Amino acid sequence: AQKVTQAQTEISVVEKEDVTLDCVYETRDTTYYLFWYKQPPSGELVFLIRRNSFDEQNEISGRYSWNFQKSTSSFNFTITASQVVDSAVYFCALSSSGTYKYIFGTGTRLKVLA
Amino acid sequence: KAGVTQTPRYLIKTRGQQVTLSCSPISGHRSVSWYQQTPGQGLQFLFEYFSETQRNKGNFPGRFSGRQFSNSRSEMNVSTLELGDSALYLCASDDGQGASTDTQYFGPGTRLTVL
Repeated sequence: AQKVTQAQTEISVVEKEDVTLDCVYETRDTTYYLFWYKQPPSGELVFLIRRNSFDEQNEISGRYSWNFQKSTSSFNFTITASQVVDSAVYFCALSSSGTYKYIFGTGTRLKVLA
Repeated sequence: KAGVTQTPRYLIKTRGQQVTLSCSPISGHRSVSWYQQTPGQGLQFLFEYFSETQRNKGNFPGRFSGRQFSNSRSEMNVSTLELGDSALYLCASDDGQGASTDTQYFGPGTRLTVL
């Protein structure tokens, strides 16, 4: 079965702290894609990153970085020097040929306090 | 390019009524997917359309239906509304050929409240 687990329901940090959001996935497919989306209070899901199952290189984009480890089926997301504007709900998603589009995790609500 | 647009942004209906939501994908995108988001169930896939054909469907009752037009715009309809249909309905369009692994870009959603 396909499944995405985001065990952290809510995280609060003080501005400028680093924070890591965890994502663990399950799939039997060998080819799959993982995604991270941000949902601010406005409701729209904003695409952050897409990573395929054959590319385990970590990625860094500004203050954001992602660590993909197939050995532990994890695709974790780190925000460095967090800012108040980072406050949102963050979703991890899985997609592969056997799924109906995306399987989303339950999301992690990040609160960055000034 | 303009993003995915959804109308209306907010709706209030009463039980038993029906509702139609509209979604305009990003220009050039031919695949449109719909998701329902509720506090209890999270984000759940409703259905996906590509070139006016429904290709995938999630586990929702037949009261939920959709269609896609030749210009890729899509509508979803919910008949005989129930209280549990209150949710944020999100539409997304694909930047590829509608394969399940393409990146989806989401609209702002329509928040439906059923009284």
